[in-house]
Amino acid sequence: GESVGLHLPTLSVQEGDNSIINCAYSNSASDYFIWYKQESGKGPQFIIDIRSNMDKRQGQRVTVLLNKTVKHLSLQIAATQPGDSAVYFCARRGGTSYGKLTFGQGTILTVHP
Amino acid sequence: DAGVIQSPRHEVTEMGQEVTLRCKPISGHDYLFWYRQTMMRGLELLIYFNNNVPIDDSGMPEDRFSAKMPNASFSTLKIQPSEPRDSAVYFCASRTEREGSYNEQFFGPGTRLTVL
Repeated sequence: GESVGLHLPTLSVQEGDNSIINCAYSNSASDYFIWYKQESGKGPQFIIDIRSNMDKRQGQRVTVLLNKTVKHLSLQIAATQPGDSAVYFCARRGGTSYGKLTFGQGTILTVHP
Repeated sequence: DAGVIQSPRHEVTEMGQEVTLRCKPISGHDYLFWYRQTMMRGLELLIYFNNNVPIDDSGMPEDRFSAKMPNASFSTLKIQPSEPRDSAVYFCASRTEREGSYNEQFFGPGTRLTVL
């Protein structure tokens, strides 16, 4: 179906630890998978994307991994900081919805100092 | 650039009243999106425009909702009549058509709508 969902609704980590946020998807007809971050009281903000024919992509302190065999996507944040506390959404684009993004429900990340 | 601008930031109205939400996209962006966010349903796309033309309005919940984009720098989302279940945060977002930027939408701060 047309769904992008998350394994865990909340994640708490200590400052300096690495964080891993997971996402499962059901629709394989996707060209891209994307991660967005939403801080309290603000709109979502783009973090990183990965094309569906790739397995891994790295950005600044973030790495996205895509496992198409099990339809699983993850966002790894290195050396997590209090400023990383936010809701993280995975999204997909492609297939019949080429021009638009379909968002998952989100994971709340809380970083404790 | 000031980013995507939305107004009002907060709106409280009574059931049955007309509500108009406004959005100014980032200058030069070709796409404009309207989303609704609630705890129950998450972030839902309502409608999006390309070069001021509505492309996909399949997310508009019912005929009470309508959206327009009379020019490249302004869009409205109207609810008439409003109902309590319309209470949500409404986001406007825009993006360019530039290669490599298809996945990066720039969101406004949102309008928090409360219908009593």
